[in-house]
Amino acid sequence: AQKVTQAQTEISVVEKEDVTLDCVYETRDTTYYLFWYKQPPSGELVFLIRRNSFDEQNEISGRYSWNFQKSTSSFNFTITASQVVDSAVYFCALSEATLTSGGYQKVTFGIGTKLQVIP
Amino acid sequence: ETGVTQSPTHLIKTRGQQVTLRCSSQSGHNTVSWYQQALGQGPQFIFQYYREEENGRGNFPPRFSGLQFPNYSSELNVNALELDDSALYLCASSGTRDSRRETQYFGPGTRLLVL
Repeated sequence: AQKVTQAQTEISVVEKEDVTLDCVYETRDTTYYLFWYKQPPSGELVFLIRRNSFDEQNEISGRYSWNFQKSTSSFNFTITASQVVDSAVYFCALSEATLTSGGYQKVTFGIGTKLQVIP
Repeated sequence: ETGVTQSPTHLIKTRGQQVTLRCSSQSGHNTVSWYQQALGQGPQFIFQYYREEENGRGNFPPRFSGLQFPNYSSELNVNALELDDSALYLCASSGTRDSRRETQYFGPGTRLLVL
């Protein structure tokens, strides 16, 4: 069974500080996909990144960067020079590559980390 | 914005009633998935519809049912509402049912309160 653990339920930082959100996952599959989503107070989940298990290259997109370490089953997310607009709940999610007999892929979400950036 | 819309935005019902939530998928997307997100939790997968047929279901009882229409919009129906059904219901659309090729894009959700 697949599982995603986000141990940090709430984090507060002062604006311009860097912050790292942790994500640890469990899966028996060798091929899988990892995601990060942002959920602002409005409720809509905003897609940030998808990474497959064969691509361990770290990625940077503006102030966002992701560190994927297969050896420790972690997919951490860092925001550099945080801004108030970054305040939201961030979810890490996992999808295994194997389709079920019905042909769908279940995506399992972590519990989320609430980030508050204080001006 | 993702182009996925949901209605209504908020809803209040009483225990035992029935509710229908609606979702319009992004243009060109033929797959819709529904999730339930209780307060302080991550989204939980309810089911997925692909080309008008349910092709996957999470651990939800049969009183949670759905439909997908020829234009790929979708409905989630919940019968015999219980207090624990109070949650944010999210709809996600994708171009295929296979997340190996496409990511799901989420709508703003419907907040359901059961009294």
